[in-house]
Amino acid sequence: QSALTQPASVSGSPGQSITISCTGSSSDVDAYTSVSWYQQHPGKAPKLLISEVTNRPAGVPDRFSGSKSGRTASLTISGLQAEDEADYYCASYTTNRWLFGGGTNVTVL
Amino acid sequence: QVQLVESGGGVVQPGRSLRLSCAASGFSFRTYHMHWVRQAPGKGLEWVTFISYDGSEEYYADSVKGRFTVSRDNSKNTLFLQMNSLRAEDTAVYYCAKAYSTYFDYWGQGTLVTVSS
Repeated sequence: QSALTQPASVSGSPGQSITISCTGSSSDVDAYTSVSWYQQHPGKAPKLLISEVTNRPAGVPDRFSGSKSGRTASLTISGLQAEDEADYYCASYTTNRWLFGGGTNVTVL
Repeated sequence: QVQLVESGGGVVQPGRSLRLSCAASGFSFRTYHMHWVRQAPGKGLEWVTFISYDGSEEYYADSVKGRFTVSRDNSKNTLFLQMNSLRAEDTAVYYCAKAYSTYFDYWGQGTLVTVSS
């Protein structure tokens, strides 16, 4: 099964809002409320940002938010900050396996 | 606090085997499912395998099915990944990740596996 589809890169200025899309299929993103998002800085391990489409773990700033409509999930970063420059990955459960998106590199201009 | 520490990576020739370990602490290891996820150099994340809390269920990505085996020792709070018939395309940083519901809530720092002659 193919990976989920994300844009390769997104950029924005400090203070702006950006949105990263994650497109799957009727068997994964659209079938389950199991989309999660991860942030990865260079040379570091991924870190959970959003679970089960919209839930933000303790310690994650509220400028990170998630949503889903049909086969496409989205991560929005409001009030972009320099430390948000990183790679972002979506993931979804499907039957007995997990899929990741190809990753989106976020650049803060 | 939750800690996951991978070990066992290194350079191995194609066709050979390697066993990775992940030592867990800071949570009740025996009650949580676990995953292995890998990342090839400069590439994205790829889910590799899942094992249930008691080892009774295992799932694998098609790319490793029949070659990799996941296991765990709950008495030693340790997760394992036995990798056989290694290929160049298995070169990656391998992360162990704690499962919570359908997502990965904690990750180790990873161990690098390089398959090269």
